[in-house]
Amino acid sequence: AQSVTQLDSHVSVSEGTPVLLRCNYSSSYSPSLFWYVQHPNKGLQLLLKYTSAATLVKGINGFEAEFKKSETSFHLTKPSAHMSDAAEYFCVVSRSNDYKLSFGAGTTVTVRA
Amino acid sequence: DVKVTQSSRYLVKRTGEKVFLECVQDMDHENMFWYRQDPGLGLRLIYFSYDVKMKEKGDIPEGYSVSREKKERFSLILESASTNQTSMYLCASSFRGLAISSYEQYFGPGTRLTVT
Repeated sequence: AQSVTQLDSHVSVSEGTPVLLRCNYSSSYSPSLFWYVQHPNKGLQLLLKYTSAATLVKGINGFEAEFKKSETSFHLTKPSAHMSDAAEYFCVVSRSNDYKLSFGAGTTVTVRA
Repeated sequence: DVKVTQSSRYLVKRTGEKVFLECVQDMDHENMFWYRQDPGLGLRLIYFSYDVKMKEKGDIPEGYSVSREKKERFSLILESASTNQTSMYLCASSFRGLAISSYEQYFGPGTRLTVT
């Protein structure tokens, strides 16, 4: 079965400093992996996705993630946090042979001025 | 701009009431999904539909049913609402193609349901 573990439930950073959100996955095959962001009282928006092409994936708003098969990780980073990055972030893995997704529990990001 | 819309942003219902949550997408997607979102649990799949009139149970279908009479519309039904169904409900849709696992889902804004 496919599953996702987000290692931090809450991350607090200062504006202008790097952001790191950690995600480990388990899968019995080569999965697709996604990061979604949810701003307060909004639906989820796709940040980026990995589908077995380049292991370093660039997304919107300056975010990027690196797929590391040996570590079964898909960590999300941004070099310089902005106040607008305050949101909840979900790491997501595809399930085998169907269209369903498995979601991590989420990481809430707070950005301090 | 792709769009998934949900009929209500906030809903308050009484225990035992029948509740309908509606979702419409304008992307001609074959797949549609209903999730509930609870703090610390992420999103959990309630039901999935891959075509008109076709449905599949997700991870937590108990207490819910669904209806898909038209491709663009997917309804979630709470037959007899209970307080433990107080939650945020999110609808999503996705394309159905050959690269099965690679298609992202597009989400609506959510309906926050409170059952009292």
